[in-house]
Amino acid sequence: NAGVTQTPKFRVLKTGQSMTLLCAQDMNHEYMYWYRQDPGMGLRLIHYSVGEGTTAKGEVPDGYNVSRLKKQNFLLGLESAAPSQTSVYFCASSYPPTSSEQYFGPGTRLTVT
Amino acid sequence: QQPVQSPQAVILREGEDAVINCSSSKALYSVHWYRQKHGEAPVFLMILLKGGEQKGHDKISASFNEKKQQSSLYLTASQLSYSGTYFCGSFSGNTPLVFGKGTRLSVIA
Repeated sequence: NAGVTQTPKFRVLKTGQSMTLLCAQDMNHEYMYWYRQDPGMGLRLIHYSVGEGTTAKGEVPDGYNVSRLKKQNFLLGLESAAPSQTSVYFCASSYPPTSSEQYFGPGTRLTVT
Repeated sequence: QQPVQSPQAVILREGEDAVINCSSSKALYSVHWYRQKHGEAPVFLMILLKGGEQKGHDKISASFNEKKQQSSLYLTASQLSYSGTYFCGSFSGNTPLVFGKGTRLSVIA
């Protein structure tokens, strides 16, 4: 069991470039999430998905898009990167969150110059 | 709305106790606690469902007062391995889990 994996682990982008972060889980979880973590701000939800083919906005969705074409994968896209998107990005997955823990991936450190 | 955690940071000597509080302005169905060590992903500690239950894991326990919409995490006889940032997450039933800003705990010898 690999759990939750994220690729890439590190990335440097120039302003205006685009990229896609990939999250994969092998626990058959319905729910998947993308968070960003900035110093002193905690974990803020960008987008989430409650099942294959469905996505929804979280607290800070602007500048990001997501897709969940397969149950095990959740992609986060940045169409035109900005320095304000410099952050550590975590993906997580879970069963229905009422009483289920979230399993986090190792994170992706993104720097936009 | 993010739950509010207090204190923001605390420094302990090994063997001392600490309490981390988490409060929400919304009615809560459950409260989740996670710990994150520097440079790593958050790791699950425990979930408390409404009903005022208390849970424990080794020397870390927590309580949940649904009427006050508050939860507290108790760390007893702290160890060096307890160092990290602790996050509470509040779940209200209609929206995904919302995390607080975290409490940085440092345990020194």
